[in-house]
Amino acid sequence: GNSVTQMEGPVTLSEEAFLTINCTYTATGYPSLFWYVQYPGEGLQLLLKATKADDKGSNKGFEATYRKETTSFHLEKGSVQVSDSAVYFCALLDDYKLSFGAGTTVTVRA
Amino acid sequence: EAQVTQNPRYLITVTGKKLTVTCSQNMNHEYMSWYRQDPGLGLRQIYYSMNVEVTDKGDVPEGYKVSRKEKRNFPLILESPSPNQTSLYFCASSLAGPYSNQPQHFGDGTRLSIL
Repeated sequence: GNSVTQMEGPVTLSEEAFLTINCTYTATGYPSLFWYVQYPGEGLQLLLKATKADDKGSNKGFEATYRKETTSFHLEKGSVQVSDSAVYFCALLDDYKLSFGAGTTVTVRA
Repeated sequence: EAQVTQNPRYLITVTGKKLTVTCSQNMNHEYMSWYRQDPGLGLRQIYYSMNVEVTDKGDVPEGYKVSRKEKRNFPLILESPSPNQTSLYFCASSLAGPYSNQPQHFGDGTRLSIL
């Protein structure tokens, strides 16, 4: 079956630091890949997506590239802010079914 | 405003007492889904519905029921709740079609505690 593996957190960073959250997947088909973000007390919001190999999704300074050869979709941001503190979920969509990683808690300190 | 609305947001109840968590979306989405979120496990899909009167099991359907009598509503029913169903629940909806890659819109969550 499909599965998503994310790096374990929590991750604590200082403002303006570089953030990487690793995500790898296994899938039987040709999935679309997503990063969702969950701010405290809220539901999940789509951060970015990529629908085919070599696509790069980007939003709010975050980027992730769909790498079929390494089955990865790592999330990166060059300079984080305190407002980026949240839980980040990698997810794949294959045949209507959305599978999530366990989530990575990121805390950015001023 | 486009949204997915869940009720209640918080509920503490006792084992065996039937409960329903409602979910409503105003975006005319065909696809709706329920997830539970547990520490270290991320979100796991309970049930999903591709359209009215069409529902199917997700990864963890045991102990839950759903119905989809109208397009906008997708209630989650716990006929006889047990403590292992204590969790944070999310409803989501999206446009759907063949091989859809549309993102899902999530509600704000319902925190259930079963004593």
